[in-house]
Amino acid sequence: DGGITQSPKYLFRKEGQNVTLSCEQNLNHDAMYWYRQDPGQGLRLIYYSQIVNDFQKGDIAEGYSVSREKKESFPLTVTSAQKNPTAFYLCASSIGAGSGYEQYFGPGTRLTVT
Amino acid sequence: AQKVTQAQTEISVVEKEDVTLDCVYETRDTTYYLFWYKQPPSGELVFLIRRNSFDEQNEISGRYSWNFQKSTSSFNFTITASQVVDSAVYFCALRPLSWGKFQFGAGTQVVVTP
Repeated sequence: DGGITQSPKYLFRKEGQNVTLSCEQNLNHDAMYWYRQDPGQGLRLIYYSQIVNDFQKGDIAEGYSVSREKKESFPLTVTSAQKNPTAFYLCASSIGAGSGYEQYFGPGTRLTVT
Repeated sequence: AQKVTQAQTEISVVEKEDVTLDCVYETRDTTYYLFWYKQPPSGELVFLIRRNSFDEQNEISGRYSWNFQKSTSSFNFTITASQVVDSAVYFCALRPLSWGKFQFGAGTQVVVTP
Protein backbone atom coordinates (compact mmCIF):
# COMPACT_ATOMS: atom_id res chain seq x y z
CA ASP A 1 0.00 0.00 0.00
CA GLY A 2 1.29 3.44 -0.89
CA GLY A 3 1.35 6.06 1.78
CA ILE A 4 3.24 8.17 4.26
CA THR A 5 4.61 6.81 7.49
CA GLN A 6 5.67 8.82 10.48
CA SER A 7 7.34 7.33 13.47
CA PRO A 8 6.96 7.21 16.33
CA LYS A 9 3.35 8.20 16.98
CA TYR A 10 4.22 9.55 20.44
CA LEU A 11 7.58 10.96 21.43
CA PHE A 12 8.75 12.27 24.78
CA ARG A 13 11.92 14.27 25.33
CA LYS A 14 13.58 16.31 27.99
CA GLU A 15 14.07 20.00 27.45
CA GLY A 16 17.41 20.80 25.86
CA GLN A 17 17.58 17.66 23.74
CA ASN A 18 17.38 17.59 19.97
CA VAL A 19 14.91 15.11 18.53
CA THR A 20 14.39 13.85 14.98
CA LEU A 21 10.98 12.95 13.59
CA SER A 22 10.85 10.48 10.77
CA CYS A 23 8.79 10.83 7.58
CA GLU A 24 8.88 8.31 4.75
CA GLN A 25 6.70 8.11 1.64
CA ASN A 26 6.44 5.46 -1.06
CA LEU A 27 4.14 7.45 -3.33
CA ASN A 28 7.01 8.61 -5.56
CA HIS A 29 6.06 12.19 -4.78
CA ASP A 30 8.55 14.96 -5.49
CA ALA A 31 7.38 17.45 -2.86
CA MET A 32 7.30 16.95 0.89
CA TYR A 33 6.20 19.18 3.76
CA TRP A 34 6.31 19.48 7.52
CA TYR A 35 3.53 21.13 9.48
CA ARG A 36 2.99 21.88 13.12
CA GLN A 37 -0.46 21.79 14.68
CA ASP A 38 -1.29 23.26 18.06
CA PRO A 39 -4.62 22.74 19.85
CA GLY A 40 -7.43 24.76 18.30
CA GLN A 41 -5.23 26.03 15.51
CA GLY A 42 -4.77 25.24 11.87
CA LEU A 43 -1.61 23.85 10.36
CA ARG A 44 1.49 25.98 10.12
CA LEU A 45 4.21 25.20 7.60
CA ILE A 46 7.67 24.55 9.01
CA TYR A 47 9.70 23.45 5.98
CA TYR A 48 9.03 22.12 2.52
CA SER A 49 11.06 20.44 -0.18
CA GLN A 50 10.24 20.44 -3.86
CA ILE A 51 13.00 18.08 -4.96
CA VAL A 52 15.80 16.04 -3.48
CA ASN A 53 18.64 18.04 -1.92
CA ASP A 54 16.55 21.20 -1.85
CA PHE A 55 14.29 22.65 0.84
CA GLN A 56 12.85 26.01 1.86
CA LYS A 57 11.76 27.54 5.12
CA GLY A 58 8.10 27.83 5.81
CA ASP A 59 6.36 30.23 8.15
CA ILE A 60 7.80 28.93 11.43
CA ALA A 61 11.21 27.42 10.63
CA GLU A 62 13.11 28.81 13.60
CA GLY A 63 14.35 26.05 15.88
CA TYR A 64 13.85 23.34 13.26
CA SER A 65 16.06 21.74 10.61
CA VAL A 66 15.46 19.26 7.79
CA SER A 67 17.29 17.27 5.17
CA ARG A 68 16.21 15.72 1.89
CA GLU A 69 18.88 13.29 0.81
CA LYS A 70 16.45 10.78 -0.64
CA LYS A 71 13.21 11.31 -2.50
CA GLU A 72 11.23 9.18 -0.09
CA SER A 73 12.56 10.62 3.17
CA PHE A 74 12.23 14.04 4.80
CA PRO A 75 13.24 13.93 8.48
CA LEU A 76 12.60 16.90 10.77
CA THR A 77 14.89 17.75 13.68
CA VAL A 78 13.45 19.77 16.51
CA THR A 79 16.39 21.49 18.11
CA SER A 80 16.81 22.81 21.62
CA ALA A 81 16.47 26.30 20.15
CA GLN A 82 12.77 25.73 19.52
CA LYS A 83 11.15 27.53 22.43
CA ASN A 84 7.88 25.64 22.55
CA PRO A 85 8.33 22.29 20.80
CA THR A 86 5.41 20.39 22.31
CA ALA A 87 2.93 19.95 19.45
CA PHE A 88 1.49 17.58 16.88
CA TYR A 89 3.71 17.30 13.80
CA LEU A 90 2.36 16.29 10.43
CA CYS A 91 4.31 15.32 7.35
CA ALA A 92 2.77 15.56 3.89
CA SER A 93 3.70 14.96 0.29
CA SER A 94 2.36 15.86 -3.14
CA ILE A 95 3.12 14.73 -6.67
CA GLY A 96 4.68 18.08 -7.42
CA ALA A 97 5.05 21.46 -5.82
CA GLY A 98 2.51 23.10 -8.10
CA SER A 99 -0.51 24.73 -6.55
CA GLY A 100 -3.03 22.37 -8.09
CA TYR A 101 -1.75 19.27 -6.36
CA GLU A 102 -3.38 18.08 -3.20
CA GLN A 103 -1.21 17.03 -0.31
CA TYR A 104 -1.40 13.65 1.34
CA PHE A 105 -0.68 13.44 5.03
CA GLY A 106 0.92 10.97 7.36
CA PRO A 107 -0.60 9.93 10.72
CA GLY A 108 1.45 12.49 12.66
CA THR A 109 3.83 12.44 15.62
CA ARG A 110 2.80 13.93 18.92
CA LEU A 111 5.89 15.38 20.59
CA THR A 112 5.94 16.23 24.27
CA VAL A 113 8.93 18.03 25.73
CA THR A 114 9.17 18.43 29.50
CA ALA B 1 -1.99 38.43 1.83
CA GLN B 2 -3.60 35.03 1.85
CA LYS B 3 -6.13 34.21 4.51
CA VAL B 4 -8.70 31.53 5.23
CA THR B 5 -11.40 32.07 7.83
CA GLN B 6 -13.47 29.31 9.34
CA ALA B 7 -15.60 31.25 11.76
CA GLN B 8 -17.30 28.22 13.29
CA THR B 9 -15.11 26.71 15.97
CA GLU B 10 -17.43 23.82 16.78
CA ILE B 11 -20.74 22.55 15.48
CA SER B 12 -22.76 19.93 17.34
CA VAL B 13 -25.58 18.06 15.62
CA VAL B 14 -27.68 15.01 16.19
CA GLU B 15 -27.29 12.16 13.74
CA LYS B 16 -29.18 12.60 10.46
CA GLU B 17 -29.16 16.37 10.69
CA ASP B 18 -27.46 18.35 7.94
CA VAL B 19 -24.45 20.47 8.81
CA THR B 20 -22.83 23.26 6.79
CA LEU B 21 -19.28 24.41 7.37
CA ASP B 22 -18.36 27.90 6.26
CA CYS B 23 -15.08 28.88 4.62
CA VAL B 24 -14.21 32.40 3.52
CA TYR B 25 -10.91 33.16 1.85
CA GLU B 26 -8.85 36.15 0.79
CA THR B 27 -6.32 36.29 -2.00
CA ARG B 28 -5.25 38.72 -4.69
CA ASP B 29 -4.45 35.94 -7.11
CA THR B 30 -6.91 35.26 -9.88
CA THR B 31 -5.78 31.66 -10.10
CA TYR B 32 -5.93 29.61 -6.94
CA TYR B 33 -7.04 26.30 -5.55
CA LEU B 34 -9.29 25.52 -2.64
CA PHE B 35 -9.28 22.33 -0.63
CA TRP B 36 -11.18 20.63 2.15
CA TYR B 37 -9.57 18.13 4.50
CA LYS B 38 -11.02 15.98 7.27
CA GLN B 39 -9.04 15.22 10.43
CA PRO B 40 -10.62 12.39 12.43
CA PRO B 41 -9.54 11.74 16.03
CA SER B 42 -6.68 9.57 14.76
CA GLY B 43 -4.99 12.76 13.57
CA GLU B 44 -4.27 12.07 9.92
CA LEU B 45 -5.68 14.62 7.49
CA VAL B 46 -7.76 13.11 4.72
CA PHE B 47 -8.15 14.94 1.42
CA LEU B 48 -11.78 15.52 0.45
CA ILE B 49 -11.89 17.87 -2.51
CA ARG B 50 -9.92 20.32 -4.65
CA ARG B 51 -11.50 23.15 -6.62
CA ASN B 52 -9.77 25.65 -8.90
CA SER B 53 -10.82 29.26 -9.12
CA PHE B 54 -12.19 28.94 -12.62
CA ASP B 55 -14.58 26.15 -11.82
CA GLU B 56 -17.56 27.42 -9.90
CA GLN B 57 -19.70 24.38 -10.36
CA ASN B 58 -21.00 22.92 -7.17
CA GLU B 59 -20.03 19.36 -6.47
CA ILE B 60 -21.72 16.47 -4.76
CA SER B 61 -20.04 13.31 -3.60
CA GLY B 62 -22.36 11.00 -1.71
CA ARG B 63 -23.48 12.84 1.41
CA TYR B 64 -20.92 15.61 0.87
CA SER B 65 -21.50 18.70 -1.22
CA TRP B 66 -19.56 21.87 -1.83
CA ASN B 67 -20.76 25.34 -2.77
CA PHE B 68 -18.11 27.59 -4.33
CA GLN B 69 -19.10 31.24 -4.74
CA LYS B 70 -16.37 33.43 -6.11
CA SER B 71 -18.47 36.57 -5.68
CA THR B 72 -18.45 36.13 -1.91
CA SER B 73 -15.06 34.34 -1.70
CA SER B 74 -16.66 31.38 -0.03
CA PHE B 75 -16.27 27.65 -0.37
CA ASN B 76 -18.78 26.05 1.95
CA PHE B 77 -19.12 22.37 2.73
CA THR B 78 -22.32 20.55 3.62
CA ILE B 79 -22.71 17.11 5.12
CA THR B 80 -26.19 15.74 4.52
CA ALA B 81 -27.76 13.29 6.94
CA SER B 82 -24.75 13.36 9.26
CA GLN B 83 -23.41 10.21 10.87
CA VAL B 84 -21.30 9.64 13.95
CA VAL B 85 -18.34 8.80 11.70
CA ASP B 86 -18.46 12.37 10.40
CA SER B 87 -17.23 13.61 13.78
CA ALA B 88 -13.89 15.24 13.02
CA VAL B 89 -12.15 18.54 12.51
CA TYR B 90 -12.59 19.89 9.00
CA PHE B 91 -10.07 22.25 7.44
CA CYS B 92 -10.48 24.53 4.49
CA ALA B 93 -7.26 25.50 2.68
CA LEU B 94 -6.22 27.96 -0.02
CA ARG B 95 -3.29 27.62 -2.37
CA PRO B 96 -2.74 30.57 -4.72
CA LEU B 97 -0.88 29.90 -7.93
CA SER B 98 1.74 32.55 -7.18
CA TRP B 99 2.41 31.43 -3.65
CA GLY B 100 2.61 27.69 -3.81
CA LYS B 101 2.05 27.11 -0.10
CA PHE B 102 -1.12 26.03 1.59
CA GLN B 103 -2.90 28.48 3.86
CA PHE B 104 -5.11 26.54 6.24
CA GLY B 105 -8.06 27.81 8.19
CA ALA B 106 -8.26 27.15 11.92
CA GLY B 107 -10.64 24.25 11.40
CA THR B 108 -14.19 23.48 12.49
CA GLN B 109 -14.85 20.68 14.97
CA VAL B 110 -17.97 18.71 14.03
CA VAL B 111 -19.53 16.60 16.75
CA VAL B 112 -22.29 14.21 15.70
CA THR B 113 -24.17 12.51 18.50
CA PRO B 114 -26.42 9.46 18.10
